[in-house]
Amino acid sequence: EVQLVESGGGLVQPGRSLKLSCAASGFTFSNYYMAWVRQAPKKGLEWVATISTSGSRTYYPDSVKGRFTISRDNAKSSLYLQMNSLKSEDTATYYCARHGAIAAPWFAYWGQGTLVTVSS
Amino acid sequence: DTVLTQSPALAVSPGERVTISCRASESVSTGMHWYQQKPGQQPKLLIYGASNLESGVPARFSGSGSGTDFTLTIDPVEADDTATYFCQQSWNDPTFGAGTKLELK
Repeated sequence: EVQLVESGGGLVQPGRSLKLSCAASGFTFSNYYMAWVRQAPKKGLEWVATISTSGSRTYYPDSVKGRFTISRDNAKSSLYLQMNSLKSEDTATYYCARHGAIAAPWFAYWGQGTLVTVSS
Repeated sequence: DTVLTQSPALAVSPGERVTISCRASESVSTGMHWYQQKPGQQPKLLIYGASNLESGVPARFSGSGSGTDFTLTIDPVEADDTATYFCQQSWNDPTFGAGTKLELK
């Protein structure tokens, strides 16, 4: 059974940093592209970052480019999101997601999410 | 960015057929996918590539469309289908629709 378990969320002041983690199990982690997707309270979904199987390629939307960094440790089956210069509009539940079929551009599995609140 | 437009809400009775629409601001070919999100839960993939049913998803769910107009159909609707349904395009950087909240009468 595929499992994705996020951790690291919490309350953080604007301008500060936070690092999220995602522990994956139930599949060969190194064979799949991975992503982070966020959802602001009572709002829709927003793709935040994607990383290739080896970690050599990363992709971001303009809203987080230069502030967020996605990374992975295939030996530990873990995914990370380093978030710097946080803004109030970054407040959201952050989901770790596995892409479909290696690099397929849909999100086949999602974790339960971890809440990040950016507020002074 | 490709903008996806969904109707905000629908209400149907159990046993009926419901269609949920998603319109893209530009052609996305068949790069459209559908998710179900129940309150307090993470999204769940239902349909990928516009019309392919994800493994384990009941055959009551189906998807169709190409270009700019897409439809998710549930037939027949069951009480457990109460949820918000999101479309997502993958023609360029992934974007999601705002979601359609499905309520049962």
